[in-house]
Amino acid sequence: DTGVSQDPRHKITKRGQNVTFRCDPISEHNRLYWYRQTLGQGPEFLTYFQNEAQLEKSRLLSDRFSAERPKGSFSTLEIQRTEQGDSAMYLCASSLVTDTEAFFGQGTRLTVV
Amino acid sequence: GQQLNQSPQSMFIQEGEDVSMNCTSSSIFNTWLWYKQEPGEGPVLLIALYKAGELTSNGRLTAQFGITRKDSFLNISASIPSDVGIYFCAGQLGGNQFYFGTGTSLTVIP
Repeated sequence: DTGVSQDPRHKITKRGQNVTFRCDPISEHNRLYWYRQTLGQGPEFLTYFQNEAQLEKSRLLSDRFSAERPKGSFSTLEIQRTEQGDSAMYLCASSLVTDTEAFFGQGTRLTVV
Repeated sequence: GQQLNQSPQSMFIQEGEDVSMNCTSSSIFNTWLWYKQEPGEGPVLLIALYKAGELTSNGRLTAQFGITRKDSFLNISASIPSDVGIYFCAGQLGGNQFYFGTGTSLTVIP
């Protein structure tokens, strides 16, 4: 296992389109986090899962955003009706429940034109 | 949400110099993490701290968990060009989300 994997690395989409990102966490990591990062800022929390349960969602996660982790392994983050303000780096991280070290993937860079 | 402030915001240093940066919070945390991020990449974990007063090293990096649980410090000794990047602190309380700082941008001049 080489770490947290995110796909795609880059996505350019037209405003109003839907996009979906995938995150594969480190094997045996029960916790999975999604963060968003805009240029010059630190990562901002979106949501996290413990196994397949979504335990916390940020107010940043509007109704257009939905995240799933159906089998407690990989996760998807979908953005519907994208807006230019959604342009950002979307980061996924995973950790063991009992170990709070969180390891990040390389991120998905979204550009909405 | 929690506010984590990092200082300095940016640093320009000569290769070989030591670096110090810190992170302060308005709230206490149980865990402090330090990450380094390079352009277009995700943050890479450098050091994790779990106990107030804890001092932990990772090679040339040393970090401390402040006694008040509201701050943390990161030192880099004998900087090299590959230390260039943005350094973020992150705090966690109660095993939930991590709150990130505003970042310290480090430039090392050869």
